[in-house]
Amino acid sequence: NAGVTQTPKFQVLKTGQSMTLQCAQDMNHNSMYWYRQDPGMGLRLIYYSASEGTTDKGEVPNGYNVSRLNKREFSLRLESAAPSQTSVYFCASSGRTSGTLYEQYFGPGTRLTVT
Amino acid sequence: GESVGLHLPTLSVQEGDNSIINCAYSNSASDYFIWYKQESGKGPQFIIDIRSNMDKRQGQRVTVLLNKTVKHLSLQIAATQPGDSAVYFCAEIGGPAGGTSYGKLTFGQGTILTVHP
Repeated sequence: NAGVTQTPKFQVLKTGQSMTLQCAQDMNHNSMYWYRQDPGMGLRLIYYSASEGTTDKGEVPNGYNVSRLNKREFSLRLESAAPSQTSVYFCASSGRTSGTLYEQYFGPGTRLTVT
Repeated sequence: GESVGLHLPTLSVQEGDNSIINCAYSNSASDYFIWYKQESGKGPQFIIDIRSNMDKRQGQRVTVLLNKTVKHLSLQIAATQPGDSAVYFCAEIGGPAGGTSYGKLTFGQGTILTVHP
């Protein structure tokens, strides 16, 4: 199993450009999440999807949109990138098949710089 | 809003010593706590969890203690090894009805643990 995969690993955008971050999991998990991590900080939840077909806002949703394409895939879109969105983005998944109910498995991250 | 934070941002220990990483939380309704380890350039990795109805839980070389009276959480690592060097985060899941079902975590700021050989 690959676990949680994210693409791309690195991305540089100019202000106003758009892009989509891709995430996929092969653990048959119901729930998926997008976080951002700023330097020296913990992770903050952007959006989550409790199950296929549903999405909800997290702590910092402004400037982002998400799509739960199917059970495996959960994408994050920046419609008009801003320098404040420079961060490392992590996708995670969890499900009752995990070792613990709330254990989340994280991808390797996407390092995004907006100039 | 509610938050989870750490007392010490950095901790340096000698190999073989025991390490204690602390975390304070402010949401008294928190139902569940998790410790994560994050190595440089990687995503967080689950270490151990504890429910709010427990005071202590042990894993392999790690112990988590929960003191609900003072809203304090700690992670103890026994016989710390160089491979334990990482950033450690505590995270909590709040207690409001319907808020725990999907694992919406609130992360603390993190503690950098450095283990010297």
